[in-house]
Amino acid sequence: DTAVSQTPKYLVTQMGNDKSIKCEQNLGHDTMYWYKQDSKKFLKIMFSYNNKELIINETVPNRFSPKSPDKAHLNLHINSLELGDSAVYFCASSHGDNQPQHFGDGTRLSIL
Amino acid sequence: RKEVEQDPGPFNVPEGATVAFNCTYSNSASQSFFWYRQDCRKEPKLLMSVYSSGNEDGRFTAQLNRASQYISLLIRDSKLSDSATYLCVVNRGGGGNKLTFGTGTQLKVEL
Repeated sequence: DTAVSQTPKYLVTQMGNDKSIKCEQNLGHDTMYWYKQDSKKFLKIMFSYNNKELIINETVPNRFSPKSPDKAHLNLHINSLELGDSAVYFCASSHGDNQPQHFGDGTRLSIL
Repeated sequence: RKEVEQDPGPFNVPEGATVAFNCTYSNSASQSFFWYRQDCRKEPKLLMSVYSSGNEDGRFTAQLNRASQYISLLIRDSKLSDSATYLCVVNRGGGGNKLTFGTGTQLKVEL
């Protein structure tokens, strides 16, 4: 039933590790996004994919690599995790330009 | 100047009160506008889109003033369940459906 689902919901790991977060949407949307919300609650876009093609990359370190195997999935792989990566990561999807985005319930990443 | 600016609040209001939030945006090419609601430790949820002519959804009314580049949200007859952070969201334009989120205005409705 869940429209935009992310896994895992919580991720606690050590500095230097590599981890992945998965996202799937069953809304039939053609565009998917990754956002980061930091401790100050500021929500900022990281990446956007439209039909498996990267269309937004907001000056994110290249340790972050999104992958979209199909338009219903957008995964985020993070290499060499750093303390500053601790945040909530939200996946979202939409039909396209000027349309509202629907969010998953977030992945809370904590780096020890 | 921030792309989207909001008063962070908190706005503490009694149940039944009317409360209004404003938001300003800096990019005159912005094309679409939204209000989202975010509860503590939850995902942002779309409250309503904002149209040039203004629009209403039950107790919620949104207005857009393109000339002054501001957006407003009015909540009438506040309920305890309205307590949340309200995010002003602007599409930057230029393709890619790139949304810029304000930092949010916190509302606390009290008995």
